[in-house]
Amino acid sequence: ILNVEQSPQSLHVQEGDSTNFTCSFPSSNFYALHWYRWETAKSPEALFVMTLNGDEKKKGRISATLNTKEGYSYLYIKGSQPEDSATYLCASSDVDSNYQLIWGAGTKLIIKP
Amino acid sequence: KAGVTQTPRYLIKTRGQQVTLSCSPISGHRSVSWYQQTPGQGLQFLFEYFSETQRNKGNFPGRFSGRQFSNSRSEMNVSTLELGDSALYLCASSLAGVGENTEAFFGQGTRLTVV
Repeated sequence: ILNVEQSPQSLHVQEGDSTNFTCSFPSSNFYALHWYRWETAKSPEALFVMTLNGDEKKKGRISATLNTKEGYSYLYIKGSQPEDSATYLCASSDVDSNYQLIWGAGTKLIIKP
Repeated sequence: KAGVTQTPRYLIKTRGQQVTLSCSPISGHRSVSWYQQTPGQGLQFLFEYFSETQRNKGNFPGRFSGRQFSNSRSEMNVSTLELGDSALYLCASSLAGVGENTEAFFGQGTRLTVV
């Protein structure tokens, strides 16, 4: 099972600025890409589940894109707010591994007021 | 609707003992997956159960085992505890398999400390 890579590992962003980070995953036999937000002292919470190449999903100020052919997804946050501070996890699955989710190590986002 | 419930929330055990953690999924969810999180590490996948069958298993020693009951509740057992087993253990439930196109809902976790 190949790795899911997330970059950067951590990110400090000024309140009000927009930001984005990357998730790279194995593209062969791809099935689904998941994004989760994990706030300190809480449980991970699903943001998006994406399966189609070129798909773009949006939830409020957060959006994500998916490129299954080259094996990457971007997560964008527009106008960062302090409540966006969290670790953002992505995970991908493929058909060959019986849809097992492989998790990245996460991008820790800190919003500076 | 009620969320994913994990019990107990906190646990302190001694090296060599065994421990059982419980996870009650959201009603109607057939998949329960288990994860270990240690300081500085991401989520490490333990195993997934779907309709009482183990569907996938991560790279953990045989001391880690699990099962799922007919009501979809799942238990995870760790035998012969080691200090390195101290971690937050999370479970997640989903309508379909956890890696498929439905989102997973996580419980609050069980914080296990081995002394």
